Amino acid sequence: DIVMTQSPDSLAVSLGERATIKCTSSRSILSTSNNKNYLAWYQQKPGQSPKLLIYWASTRESGVPDRFSGSGSGTDFTLTISSLQAEDVAVYYCHQHYGTPRTFGQGTKVEVK
Amino acid sequence: QITLRESGPTQIKPTETLTVTCTFSGFSLTTNGVGVGWIRQPPGKALEWLGHIYWDDDKRYSPSLENRLTITKDTAKNQVVLTMTNVDPADTATYFCAHRQTGRPFDSWGQGILVTVST
Repeated sequence: DIVMTQSPDSLAVSLGERATIKCTSSRSILSTSNNKNYLAWYQQKPGQSPKLLIYWASTRESGVPDRFSGSGSGTDFTLTISSLQAEDVAVYYCHQHYGTPRTFGQGTKVEVK
Repeated sequence: QITLRESGPTQIKPTETLTVTCTFSGFSLTTNGVGVGWIRQPPGKALEWLGHIYWDDDKRYSPSLENRLTITKDTAKNQVVLTMTNVDPADTATYFCAHRQTGRPFDSWGQGILVTVST
């Protein structure tokens, strides 16, 4: 199985400040056939289902604000919220859809400081 | 617009068989590349992928649960059914179904159904 590890488990950021979440996979999730990283980021607010933010490591899903960005390749990835808004308080998960079984990180809880 | 909705029992006893149905609209499971997956989330815990089924009836399951899971589809009814045998309190979770296309992650999710396994 590809193990996804996120850091930190939680972070508190002031409104308007940057939030950075890291995700590491236990092996590369870069496809050599199409040069795409099969890494997605989800946002989950309390009582809601996960919402897709980023796929292929850095492609923003339609309708997602541009303050959310993803980067990285191979085994190391980052989700950045450039200017935290109150509505961004949530748990964020990374997810690899490269290998079976599909796996998720343990989640990172983002709060307002 | 793609929508999915899970339905089924909210409480079930240990050793029983759980059946959860995902009813969807906005896409067809006969379209090349389309799939529906199942993911669960125990209260306060992380997401766990259970399996998924593709337009061509190819199925993939979590190795740790494979001997207890069955996923089937009814394309005429636009439904996908998850069956889990011999449930245990550790199977208490919110069960989500989600749409995906080949090469992309799950992009639309149902609201989820909380299933509690208890005597």
